Amino acid sequence: GQQVMQIPQYQHVQEGEDFTTYCNSSTTLSNIQWYKQRPGGHPVFLIQLVKSGEVKKQKRLTFQFGEAKKNSSLHITATQTTDVGTYFCAAITTSGTYKYIFGTGTRLKVLA
Amino acid sequence: DGGITQSPKYLFRKEGQNVTLSCEQNLNHDAMYWYRQDPGQGLRLIYYSQIVNDFQKGDIAEGYSVSREKKESFPLTVTSAQKNPTAFYLCASSWGGKTGNTIYFGEGSWLTVV
Repeated sequence: GQQVMQIPQYQHVQEGEDFTTYCNSSTTLSNIQWYKQRPGGHPVFLIQLVKSGEVKKQKRLTFQFGEAKKNSSLHITATQTTDVGTYFCAAITTSGTYKYIFGTGTRLKVLA
Repeated sequence: DGGITQSPKYLFRKEGQNVTLSCEQNLNHDAMYWYRQDPGQGLRLIYYSQIVNDFQKGDIAEGYSVSREKKESFPLTVTSAQKNPTAFYLCASSWGGKTGNTIYFGEGSWLTVV
């Protein structure tokens, strides 16, 4: 089936450093969502991107959707310890089934 | 409060037993989902349902079964055919629809085989 790959799988950063995770699909996506899962918790919705080339910002977080709608990125500026967790992208396929395909996730650790 | 309720939070199963995980939502969502998450892994789709009395297999449906007799309920049965069931199980729901909608997750159920 369709796969959505995320890189890197893990990232350790010093507090204050920037962080980026990338999400790549082999097929064109209808839209893409990003979720954050704190350790021991459940995923929580962050944002949805729909348009080709779309860029959205939430405070220190910047989300981009690629021009070809096959990739996306999440960038965090000046990480804080509260950013710790696993970040997942979730892709909506264009196949007509409208099921969500979750990426493999990027686990972020922030060292104080 | 509106939301998704999963129970039990922790469950131990003996080998050869079937167990059922409950999922109830009062968000009036059409679509419901079950995901499996192994430690340090991503989310893998087990089953999903876009409407009452209808559901589809996800990527790892073998050894699992579901029902959707009511809009608000989507229980998952882990059967004895599932050889490695120890994992974190997440139930979720959304409005469904063509443009994609936010998925809301329950707090999850930890299943351990003893």
